[in-house]
Amino acid sequence: GDSVTQMEGPVTLSEEACLTINCTYTATGYPSLFWYVQYPGEGLQLLLKATKADDKGSNKGFEATYRKETTSFHLEKGSVQVSDSAVYFCALSSGAGSYQLTFGKGTKLSVIP
Amino acid sequence: NAGVTQTPKFQVLKTGQSMTLQCAQDMNHNSMYWYRQDPGMGLRLIYYSASEGTTDKGEVPNGYNVSRLNKREFSLRLESAAPSQTSVYFCASREDRGRADTQYFGPGTRLTVL
Repeated sequence: GDSVTQMEGPVTLSEEACLTINCTYTATGYPSLFWYVQYPGEGLQLLLKATKADDKGSNKGFEATYRKETTSFHLEKGSVQVSDSAVYFCALSSGAGSYQLTFGKGTKLSVIP
Repeated sequence: NAGVTQTPKFQVLKTGQSMTLQCAQDMNHNSMYWYRQDPGMGLRLIYYSASEGTTDKGEVPNGYNVSRLNKREFSLRLESAAPSQTSVYFCASREDRGRADTQYFGPGTRLTVL
């Protein structure tokens, strides 16, 4: 079945540091890939997505590129801010019918001033 | 535009009690979902509804029932709560264009079963 593996956290960075959160996946067919973010005490919200190989999703300074050859979708940001502190989830959607999301376990990011 | 709303935000139950978690969306989406979030586990799908009047089991349906009351509302019921059901529950709805759709999540219900 489908699965998503993302790097374990927590990750602690200083403000303006570079961020990479690794995400790899296993899926049948050609999944769509997503990064969701969960700020403290809130629900999940979409950060970015990509629907086919070599697509790059971007939002709020975050980027991720759909790499079919390595089955990866790593999240990157060049300069993190304290306001980026949150839990980040990699997810995929592949099947017909329910189009349910399969999530990774989440990576907690803390950015310190 | 409220998006996806959930009630209650917090709930404490004793083992064996029952309760219903409510979810409503105002985006005219056909598909709705219930997930549970446990530490270190990500989110796991409990049930989903592809349209009004239809429901299907997800990855972890045991101990839960759902009702798609109408297009807007999708409720989750615990008939006899157990400590293993202590979790944060999220409802979501989805645009209906295909596998690239965004799911929109509610703020969650934090449930503790003693």
